[in-house]
Amino acid sequence: KNQVEQSPQSLIILEGKNCTLQCNYTVSPFSNLRWYKQDTGRGPVSLTIMTFSENTKSNGRYTATLDADTKQSSLHITASQLSDSASYICVVTSYSGAGSYQLTFGKGTKLSVIP
Amino acid sequence: NAGVTQTPKFQVLKTGQSMTLQCAQDMNHNSMYWYRQDPGMGLRLIYYSASEGTTDKGEVPNGYNVSRLNKREFSLRLESAAPSQTSVYFCASSEFRSGANVLTFGAGSRLTVL
Repeated sequence: KNQVEQSPQSLIILEGKNCTLQCNYTVSPFSNLRWYKQDTGRGPVSLTIMTFSENTKSNGRYTATLDADTKQSSLHITASQLSDSASYICVVTSYSGAGSYQLTFGKGTKLSVIP
Repeated sequence: NAGVTQTPKFQVLKTGQSMTLQCAQDMNHNSMYWYRQDPGMGLRLIYYSASEGTTDKGEVPNGYNVSRLNKREFSLRLESAAPSQTSVYFCASSEFRSGANVLTFGAGSRLTVL
């Protein structure tokens, strides 16, 4: 069964500090991995998309890494801001052919940035 | 661009009542989805529609029905609501871009069944 595990479940950091969120997956066959940011009361918004051949991708202060061998991804947030407070969801897509995709969602990491 | 629009944003139902959640997208996407999100759990797929005229069950379809009215609209119906269906519901649509299926989510509909 495809699974996506995220850690930590929740995290509190001081404004200006860096943090790293982890995502481990057992999804096959792997197609791509995405990180979403979900603000409270809103729908998830895509931050990064990574395919098998990509190791690192940045989007402003967000940097995602992917190790397809160990099936691990991380999302690093640099110089955190209060607006980074949100849940961060890791989503892995498997492609089973004939245009058929399956998305497996992690439970998310709830990040709180405090002044 | 409105993206994905869901209505209503909030709804309270009594057990046994029925209701329909509406979803519309203006991005000309072929695929649309309904998810539910519960505390401590990841988003779970209820139903999806790969293209206009087709619908398929997802991970948790029991108690729900869907209609892909046209390319823009995908509705979710609860025929006889149960307290277990208290949740936040998200509609999404997707396009295939740069080798990946990119989902755009609506803002969510919070449903409480008493």
